[in-house]
Amino acid sequence: NAGVMQNPRHLVRRRGQEARLRCSPMKGHSHVYWYRQLPEEGLKFMVYLQKENIIDESGMPKERFSAEFPKEGPSILRIQQVVRGDSAAYFCASSYREPDTGELFFGEGSRLTVL
Amino acid sequence: AQRVTQPEKLLSVFKGAPVELKCNYSYSGSPELFWYVQYSRQRLQLLLRHISRESIKGFTADLNKGETSFHLKKPFAQEEDSAMYYCALRKDDKIIFGKGTRLHILP
Repeated sequence: NAGVMQNPRHLVRRRGQEARLRCSPMKGHSHVYWYRQLPEEGLKFMVYLQKENIIDESGMPKERFSAEFPKEGPSILRIQQVVRGDSAAYFCASSYREPDTGELFFGEGSRLTVL
Repeated sequence: AQRVTQPEKLLSVFKGAPVELKCNYSYSGSPELFWYVQYSRQRLQLLLRHISRESIKGFTADLNKGETSFHLKKPFAQEEDSAMYYCALRKDDKIIFGKGTRLHILP
C-alpha cells in the first residue's frame, strides 16, 4: 500500500492563476480530509469529503476555494485566482471510515508558492 | 470554541532527561485527544490516543479533565525522539490540531 499520495509536491503560481492539488487516499479509504499549514502555524482543517459528498467544509474560505472527491479518481483541492496569502503547505489525509479512532493517514503535502 | 493549545514552539531537552510536551484543550463535551508526530522527512503519523491508555516508544499521555490538559511525557529522552509533535482533538467528524512543538534532543 503506497499510502496517501499527493501531487504535485511543489507548485508555483503567479497571482490570479489557478492551483489544483490532487490527493489519492490509501487503498480502501473512502474519507479524505484537507488541511492547510501556514508558516509558523499548525494544521488548519479545511474540508472533509467522502466519495461524491462534501461532509464538512467549515474550514474552507468562502471564495475561490473548492474541493471534490469524485467516484473515480483523486480528490482535488482547487484554488482559483490565487493570492500571495494562499502560499502554504496543503496536506491531505485519509481514513477508512469516520475518524472514530482518531487515526488519519497523511500524505507528504503539496507546497504552493504564489509569486 | 474548541481549541488545542501547545504553549511551546520549541523544547530542547538533554538525552536521558525527562520530557514533557504540554497540551491544553477547550471542548464542551467529552474530549477525545491524540498526539501525532512528524519525524524528519517523514509523514505526520499518529503516536497515541488517550482512550487506548497505551505507551508508545516510551511516551504516555494522561487526560486531566480538571486541568483540561493532555501532556505528553517520557521519563528518559532519546535522540530519535527529536521531531515535531502535534496535540489533536476530535470534534464531531474532524480532527483539530494544535500548532505543534518541536522537540530537540541534545546529545
